[in-house]
Amino acid sequence: EDKVVQSPLSLVVHEGDTVTLNCSYEVTNFRSLLWYKQEKKAPTFLFMLTSSGIEKKSGRLSSILDKKELFSILNITATQTGDSAVYLCMEYGNKLVFGAGTILRVKS
Amino acid sequence: SQTIHQWPATLVQPVGSPLSLECTVEGTSNPNLYWYRQAAGRGLQLLFYSVGIGQISSEVPQNLSASRPQDRQFILSSKKLLLSDSGFYLCAWSVQYAPLHFGNGTRLTVT
Repeated sequence: EDKVVQSPLSLVVHEGDTVTLNCSYEVTNFRSLLWYKQEKKAPTFLFMLTSSGIEKKSGRLSSILDKKELFSILNITATQTGDSAVYLCMEYGNKLVFGAGTILRVKS
Repeated sequence: SQTIHQWPATLVQPVGSPLSLECTVEGTSNPNLYWYRQAAGRGLQLLFYSVGIGQISSEVPQNLSASRPQDRQFILSSKKLLLSDSGFYLCAWSVQYAPLHFGNGTRLTVT
C-alpha cells in the first residue's frame, strides 16, 4: 500500500529561525513528489520533484528529493509569520497520496 | 488561464439529508478531476477521481458518490448524510502527472 509519512506533525518556531520538514514515502511506480502549503482553504503548490539531488528553490523555500532513501525535505530559512501553515507532501505514483501534514507556527 | 470553482463554501445539513457539492473548471479540456476530504486540518484523503466524462473511480467505500456529467463538472453527492461525513471537501484538477490545483473547499457540518 502506498504511504507518505511527514514529520514532525507540528512545529513552533520564532521568526528568523530555519526549519526543515520531512517527508518519507513508500509508493508503487513513483513518478514525482510534490509539496503544498495550506493556510485557510485551498492548498497551494510549492514544488514538484522528480529527480534525486536536484534542489528546487523559490525565495526562502527550497526542497530536495532522495530517491534512493525515499524521502524529501522542505527547508524554510528566515521564517516569517506568513509561513505559518500546514505543509503537505504528496506522491504521484499509482495513487495520489498525501501525508498527514506538518503544522508550522511561526511566532513573532 | 485555468480556474476552478467550488461551492458552496460552507454548508450545515441535518443527518439523513441529501448532499450535492459542485465543482467546475475553466480554461482547460479533459482535465483529471478529484474529490478529497480533509479532517481537522490534516492530510487529504482521496475520495473519487475521474479521467473523463462518466468515468469515476472510488478510492474509499462510503456514503458518498460522484458524477461527471460534463467534461469540466464534477459533483459529489450523498442520499443520506451521516455525522461522520462532516469535514472539509476539496475539489482539484490536473492534467496527467502535473500538479493538482485545488478549489477553495466546502466546509460541511452534519448536525
